[in-house]
Amino acid sequence: QTVVTQEPSFSVSPGGTVTLTCGLTSGSVSTSYYPSWYQQTPGQAPRTLIYSTNTRSSGVPDRFSGSILGNKAALTITGAQADDESDYYCALYLGSGISVFGGGTKLTVL
Amino acid sequence: QVQLVQSGAEVKKPGASVKVSCRASGYTFTDHYMHWVRQAPGQGLEWMGRITPNSGDTVYAQQFQGRVTMTRDTSITTAYMELSRLTSDDTAVYYCVRDQYWGPGALVTVSS
Repeated sequence: QTVVTQEPSFSVSPGGTVTLTCGLTSGSVSTSYYPSWYQQTPGQAPRTLIYSTNTRSSGVPDRFSGSILGNKAALTITGAQADDESDYYCALYLGSGISVFGGGTKLTVL
Repeated sequence: QVQLVQSGAEVKKPGASVKVSCRASGYTFTDHYMHWVRQAPGQGLEWMGRITPNSGDTVYAQQFQGRVTMTRDTSITTAYMELSRLTSDDTAVYYCVRDQYWGPGALVTVSS
């Protein structure tokens, strides 16, 4: 069974840059997996940040960017702000209509 | 603008079924897949499946096969997700999702 992997937690200093990754337990992530990224704060519905690897959803600041780094999808946040402290989830399209989420990364800004 | 309005919170007993609705507006309903995603308390997001509103075709995550049914009514631009044989593990917020647009979620609590 394919599992999508994410760092359980990460921390970044205010104003700093952080890169979160999204991988597979077997195989490499490519643009064919159409990686997407979501931000969620407690008690709120998730917010789509990035879809199709690197397309920002409407209203998302350009501090958030998506890419493929090596064999993983990546979400980079530049100039981290206090309100970036959230849970971040990635999702991959596995084909045949099937999508899977990663377990999420809890980002702390301190 | 795209809007997804979901049905309200539900409390169900173990073994029962629940049907959550998602009324869409602001776009052509039949032009986009509708996905369903759930999140148990304190847990991550879990993709449940998707429906093609134009045809009614469905794809379900393996772990929900046989227990979930996704349908739609194009006349009222509404998608539905029905989950049967509920257990306490099904207590979660259920979201409908169209591309990058998320509904507000519907809390389903399973308790005896």
